[in-house]
Amino acid sequence: DVKVTQSSRYLVKRTGEKVFLECVQDMDHENMFWYRQDPGLGLRLIYFSYDVKMKEKGDIPEGYSVSREKKERFSLILESASTNQTSMYLCASSSPIFEKLFFGSGTQLSVL
Amino acid sequence: ELKVEQNPLFLSMQEGKNYTIYCNYSTTSDRLYWYRQDPGKSLESLFVLLSNGAVKQEGRLMASLDTKARLSTLHITAAVHDLSATYFCAVVYGGATNKLIFGTGTLLAVQP
Repeated sequence: DVKVTQSSRYLVKRTGEKVFLECVQDMDHENMFWYRQDPGLGLRLIYFSYDVKMKEKGDIPEGYSVSREKKERFSLILESASTNQTSMYLCASSSPIFEKLFFGSGTQLSVL
Repeated sequence: ELKVEQNPLFLSMQEGKNYTIYCNYSTTSDRLYWYRQDPGKSLESLFVLLSNGAVKQEGRLMASLDTKARLSTLHITAAVHDLSATYFCAVVYGGATNKLIFGTGTLLAVQP
């Protein structure tokens, strides 16, 4: 069974902390994505990666960075967490031509 | 830049009734997805529409795509309570690299 696994279902962090959200896929997909989901705003693309060590900014990259050292793993980094980064974070992966797209179960991050 | 708009944002309907959710997008795309999300859960793929005139059906849901009008519809036939969820459309946007842009979602509440 194919899987996109996000390391934490719930996280609570303090303002100013450095936060790592991890995502691992087992489908050998080239494309990986990080979205955040907020009520009334839908899913907004933060960053995506189309190959190892390759990354591109999405629509709302400010305050975030990413790392893709291995094909199966895509990490989202909040350098200094702020309360407005409290959100649901969703990771996804796909083949290059988007024939299938799979989502992880999400990480609900609360920054206090 | 691609914009994806869904309407309505919220839909309350009675069991047994029919209704349609609309998804408009602003630039050319040849691939559109519909997803379902239950509260607190991740996204579940419903349909992938790949060409103009494509129509797909699963149970009480039917999706169609008109690439010339840049419009997709998700039609609900004889709604049942189990269909209550948030429905998202998403469009592949090609530039230097492809990315997937989501609409804001339609919250569907089916009342007994």
